[in-house]
Amino acid sequence: EVQLLESGGGLVQPGGSLRLSCAASGFTFSSYDMSWVRQAPGKGLEWVSTIGGSGDNTYYADSVKGRFTISRDNSKKMLYLQVNNLRGEDTAIYYCASLGRTAAGAYWGQGTLVTVSS
Amino acid sequence: DIQMTQSPSAMSASVGDRVTITCRASQDINNFLAWFQQEPGKVPKRLIYVAAKLVSGVPSRFSGSGSGTEITLTISGLQPEDFATYYCLQHESFPFTFGPGTKVDVK
Repeated sequence: EVQLLESGGGLVQPGGSLRLSCAASGFTFSSYDMSWVRQAPGKGLEWVSTIGGSGDNTYYADSVKGRFTISRDNSKKMLYLQVNNLRGEDTAIYYCASLGRTAAGAYWGQGTLVTVSS
Repeated sequence: DIQMTQSPSAMSASVGDRVTITCRASQDINNFLAWFQQEPGKVPKRLIYVAAKLVSGVPSRFSGSGSGTEITLTISGLQPEDFATYYCLQHESFPFTFGPGTKVDVK
């Protein structure tokens, strides 16, 4: 059974940082591009970042470029998102998903909530 | 960047209705288009990929059609469990973009 399990969310002050993690199991993790997608309260889905299967290629939404860093450890089947200099508008549920140009979002985690507030 | 629009943004429908939702892209997305269903408080669930392929286990009342810049999701015979919000996603080029969503509620 495929599982993606996110962790690392929480309440953080503006300007703060967090490291989100996503543990994968049940599929050949290294073969898949992986992404982070977020959803602000009551809002739609927003693509945040994608990393290629080998970890060599990374892509970011303009809204997070320079503040967020996506990475992966294929030996541990882990996906990460380092989120720095957080702003109120970053408050959202962050989902990891098997999403790339050739992987159309078959697998999603349950999400982890990031709340940015003083 | 590819912009995605969805219409309608919301609609009221009854069980048994035929529902059509359209996504329009600002440029050709070469069928790199997926449809997702999201119920309140739940994780998005993929229904359709490459514009028209039905995900295994998804009821056949869901179908996708179209190409180029206009892709349609059709629900033929709406069921109670189909009242939800539907999103399209283009993953042809970065930045990937979701449509703004279509909320289908009970008439």
